[in-house]
Amino acid sequence: DAMVIQNPRYQVTQFGKPVTLSCSQTLNHNVMYWYQQKSSQAPKLLFHYYDKDFNNEADTPDNFQSRRPNTSFCFLDIRSPGLGDAAMYLCATSRGLADEETQYFGPGTRLLVL
Amino acid sequence: DAKTTQPPSMDCAEGRAANLPCNHSTISGNEYVYWYRQIHSQGPQYIIHGLKNNETNEMASLIITEDRKSSTLILPHATLRDTAVYYCIVRARSRGSYIPTFGRGTSLIVHP
Repeated sequence: DAMVIQNPRYQVTQFGKPVTLSCSQTLNHNVMYWYQQKSSQAPKLLFHYYDKDFNNEADTPDNFQSRRPNTSFCFLDIRSPGLGDAAMYLCATSRGLADEETQYFGPGTRLLVL
Repeated sequence: DAKTTQPPSMDCAEGRAANLPCNHSTISGNEYVYWYRQIHSQGPQYIIHGLKNNETNEMASLIITEDRKSSTLILPHATLRDTAVYYCIVRARSRGSYIPTFGRGTSLIVHP
């Protein structure tokens, strides 16, 4: 089945130690998104790629970066994780950015910062 | 910011219909209403979407008012597995693209 895959499901890192979260998709979608979801809160969009075009949300901290080496893969890099970055990180895809575009989400990676 | 408002929580008896309301009074003429749900510790799951007409699929029905300022998601026969947070989304247009923004959603608890 076509899907959005996130690995690992759980990631533990140390305060200040760089960490990379991975997302891959078999849907061949043009758009890939990264969301941050803290406990009991709604998902918050960090950035998205339309193909290779990167779009950062205005309030996304510089500590968060992303790479998309090809259509299938997208990475979220946290350069110096703080305790406040502990959250669920969700990857999603869509064919495009028109209004009638369904998003498909991965299962998420839960990040713990010690 | 999200363009929708939803009650923070609702509950429903198993086997009964769950009716989840959403207010989107600032919706523009060509903006779609989307519904997703998120079961605990999982990624959001698409349920249904609509523009003007009522929609139905195997998961739910979507009723959109004639003025399009509100909608209701209907789960016709709720089960315990429908316990989740339900998000109603109207995308915000940003730099020529439609960006989905999640509001707080409604936490639906289905009880036996």
